[in-house]
Amino acid sequence: QQQVKQSPQSLIVQKGGIPIINCAYENTAFDYFPWYQQFPGKGPALLIAIRPDVSEKKEGRFTISFNKSAKQFSLHIMDSQPGDSATYFCAARDYNQGGKLIFGQGTELSVKP
Amino acid sequence: GAVVSQHPSWVICKSGTSVKIECRSLDFQATTMFWYRQFPKQSLMLMATSNEGSKATYEQGVEKDKFLINHASLTLSTLTVTSAHPEDSSFYICSATRGHTHQPQHFGDGTRLSIL
Repeated sequence: QQQVKQSPQSLIVQKGGIPIINCAYENTAFDYFPWYQQFPGKGPALLIAIRPDVSEKKEGRFTISFNKSAKQFSLHIMDSQPGDSATYFCAARDYNQGGKLIFGQGTELSVKP
Repeated sequence: GAVVSQHPSWVICKSGTSVKIECRSLDFQATTMFWYRQFPKQSLMLMATSNEGSKATYEQGVEKDKFLINHASLTLSTLTVTSAHPEDSSFYICSATRGHTHQPQHFGDGTRLSIL
C-alpha cells in the first residue's frame, strides 16, 4: 500500500516529442504528488507538484495530469529537448507519516537530437 | 531560494573507517531533514527522518548504530557511517523542508561514498 509504481523504466523520444511517464498508487493518505528530475551524480530537483484536488497542473513545458478515482498521475513533457535527458521520479507524500516521500522506481528519459 | 548543500560530494576511504557527511540548508531554517540512499540505476530509499533537537526516526531495516544522525541546529544535519564496509558504498542524499514537515523537500547534490 506504500508503493508508488512508475512506468516505463526507460523511454527514448525524438526532439520535439512528448514523453509521458505514468505513476500509480494505492494509499489514499497520500496528499501531495511531486515529480523530480535527476541528472547523473546530482540530487533530485523538484520539477512540478500537484495536490489530489486538482486534475491538471502546467508549469512551462511540464504538465501533470491527475486522476484521483483511478489513483494515477502522469508527467507530460512538451517539446522535449536533449537537455531534458535525465531520470525522472514521481513521488507521493504520506501525510500520516510525517510527510515522508515514497518514490517511484524512476524513468530514464533520452531525447535524441 | 531553498538551497541545500552537502559535503563532501565524493569520499573514498578504507574499510573500517567512519565517515561523516554534512547537510546544510543555506538560505532557510530546516526543522526536518531526510536522509536517503540510492544505489546505481535505482530509486531513492529513505533511511531516516531527522528533526532538530530530537532523535532521528529510522526506517525499518536501517541500523541506528551504523548510521548515526545528528541534527544539532536548524541548518545542519550530519550522517556518520560508522565502521564503513564496501557494502555501504552508495550515493547518500539529504533533503530539507522549510519549516513544517509537509512543505516541499529540497534536495542536496548527494555524496558518493566509496569504501575500499
